Amino acid sequence: RKEVEQDPGPFNVPEGATVAFNCTYSNSASQSFFWYRQDCRKEPKLLMSVYSSGNEDGRFTAQLNRASQYISLLIRDSKLSDSATYLCVVTPNTGGFKTIFGAGTRLFVKA
Amino acid sequence: EAQVTQNPRYLITVTGKKLTVTCSQNMNHEYMSWYRQDPGLGLRQIYYSMNVEVTDKGDVPEGYKVSRKEKRNFPLILESPSPNQTSLYFCASSLSGSGTASSGANVLTFGAGSRLTVL
Repeated sequence: RKEVEQDPGPFNVPEGATVAFNCTYSNSASQSFFWYRQDCRKEPKLLMSVYSSGNEDGRFTAQLNRASQYISLLIRDSKLSDSATYLCVVTPNTGGFKTIFGAGTRLFVKA
Repeated sequence: EAQVTQNPRYLITVTGKKLTVTCSQNMNHEYMSWYRQDPGLGLRQIYYSMNVEVTDKGDVPEGYKVSRKEKRNFPLILESPSPNQTSLYFCASSLSGSGTASSGANVLTFGAGSRLTVL
């Protein structure tokens, strides 16, 4: 089983739609959680950190469920510019300071 | 401008010819890391460094070497490249390698990537 798993998609949605991605992680001791966005084989960029209490940034909402070991990303009112690959990132707390990336979920938003 | 700079951005080489991909950051970050990205596999960590002279293996270190003699630089060395090292490579840095998401200390800033082809 992979340490971090995501549905690869692609998700094809119309503009204005609401779309949600989930990501599961296997290490219950994981400490930090993030969503990164990657455009067309460019470098990943931080979209948002995921806090224990959940957090929102404009149209984006991230949630953490430690009991079930998953994090989610909700995008409301999708824009064409949201088309990208969304990477789930987990930092385990098992000694050492590795970062584990999910393989990414591709989103296409169409007019 | 705060950034991570990698060079070269594109390189085609042949099996066995040693090469170095440089990485430099200007943010005084303690933590630096190298990743490779392959289709369907996502980003996999090669090596990371918590600070000067402190390095450790990631998940796929075989065939690679690193060094961290200065805080700002973290070069990736391929002593004898092979075709299975053809990949897209990213260098990244963060203020620290630890901490919670809310601290922001371990948010990664990436370089633009280096596309390497080994023939």
